[in-house]
Amino acid sequence: DIVMTQSPDSLAVSLGERATINCKSSQSVLYSSNNKNYLAWFQQKPGQPPKLLIYWASTRESGVPDRFSGSGSGTDFTLTISSLQAEDVAVYYCQQYYRTPYTFGQGTKLEIK
Amino acid sequence: QVQLQESGPGLVKPSETLSLTCAVSGDSSSSYYWSWIRQPPGKGLEWIGYIYYRGSTSYNPSLKSRVTISVDTPKNQFSLKLTSVTAADTAMYYCATSWPGEYYRFWGQGTLVTVSS
Repeated sequence: DIVMTQSPDSLAVSLGERATINCKSSQSVLYSSNNKNYLAWFQQKPGQPPKLLIYWASTRESGVPDRFSGSGSGTDFTLTISSLQAEDVAVYYCQQYYRTPYTFGQGTKLEIK
Repeated sequence: QVQLQESGPGLVKPSETLSLTCAVSGDSSSSYYWSWIRQPPGKGLEWIGYIYYRGSTSYNPSLKSRVTISVDTPKNQFSLKLTSVTAADTAMYYCATSWPGEYYRFWGQGTLVTVSS
């Protein structure tokens, strides 16, 4: 299985400041034939299902605010929230869909400082 | 757009079979991967498996011996059966869908299943 490891496990950031969450995969999730990274980011708020934020490592889902961005390739990825808003408090997960079994990171809990 | 809604018993006894159904509305293309994902209370997400096109399936090896995912195309629904459940199977169960080899854009709201006598 491809193991996804996120860091940190929790993060407290002041409103308006930048939040950065890292995700590392145990194997590359870059498919060489199409040069796409099979990596997605989700946001989950209490009592809600995960919401897709980013796919192909850096493509923002329609309707997602542009303060959310994804970067990285191969085995190392980052989700950045450029200016934290109160509504961004949530748990964030990365997920690889390169190979089954699809696997998720353990989650990063983002709070307001 | 795809809308998904899980249904099934909220309480299952140990050693029995957990059975859930996901009703699909909107775009119910047979080309999608129809998937199940679960989340134990307070914990992370675990991919269970998917079914697609003519009933081909892929399951998480950690659950493969106990899992069956099936689809009922005329009823626009797909189902999950998990046999010989234990307390470790207590979780929120989500159905979700994606294009083959792609990301999970559409999710159901989830249904909580508790395994307890």
